[in-house]
Amino acid sequence: KQEVTQIPAALSVPEGENLVLNCSFTDSAIYNLQWFRQDPGKGLTSLLLIQSSQREQTSGRLNASLDKSSGRSTLYIAASQPGDSATYLCALRGGSQGNLIFGKGTKLSVKP
Amino acid sequence: DAGVTQSPTHLIKTRGQQVTLRCSPISGHKSVSWYQQVLGQGPQFIFQYYEKEERGRGNFPDRFSARQFPNYSSELNVNALLLGDSALYLCASSLWTDTQYFGPGTRLTVL
Repeated sequence: KQEVTQIPAALSVPEGENLVLNCSFTDSAIYNLQWFRQDPGKGLTSLLLIQSSQREQTSGRLNASLDKSSGRSTLYIAASQPGDSATYLCALRGGSQGNLIFGKGTKLSVKP
Repeated sequence: DAGVTQSPTHLIKTRGQQVTLRCSPISGHKSVSWYQQVLGQGPQFIFQYYEKEERGRGNFPDRFSARQFPNYSSELNVNALLLGDSALYLCASSLWTDTQYFGPGTRLTVL
């Protein structure tokens, strides 16, 4: 059974710092992996999607990497801002069946 | 373009009642998935529909059911509500197995 773990559960950094969020999974046979942002009480906003054949994806200050052999993905946020404060979730799709398997998320707080 | 829409935004029910949640996907998307998110946890998969057929079901009791209409909108029904059904219910749409786009969710409170 695929399990997704995100460590740490919470992270607090000062504004301007570069930071890395971690996501690990137990089964390397994945179809794709997606990073989301969730503001309190709100829905999920898709940040980046990495296909299983890709190693990384970039969007603005965000860079996501994927290493299937080690069962890890990272989300790198450059020059963090208070507006980046949210919970970040990683989710993967294990096969052709389209459902996502989520981690519990990392709650990020960026202090001004 | 309109994103995924869900209604209602909030809902309060009592134990034993039934509830229907609604979702309209992004125009052109034929796949709709439902997820349940309890406080402090990641979303858990409930159902996926594609082209009006059920394509996947998560580990939820038979009290949960769903359907997809010819216009690709979807309804999630939950019967005999329990306190533990209190959660944020999220709907996601996609073309099929690519990026999933989520709606704002319906907050269900069961008293």
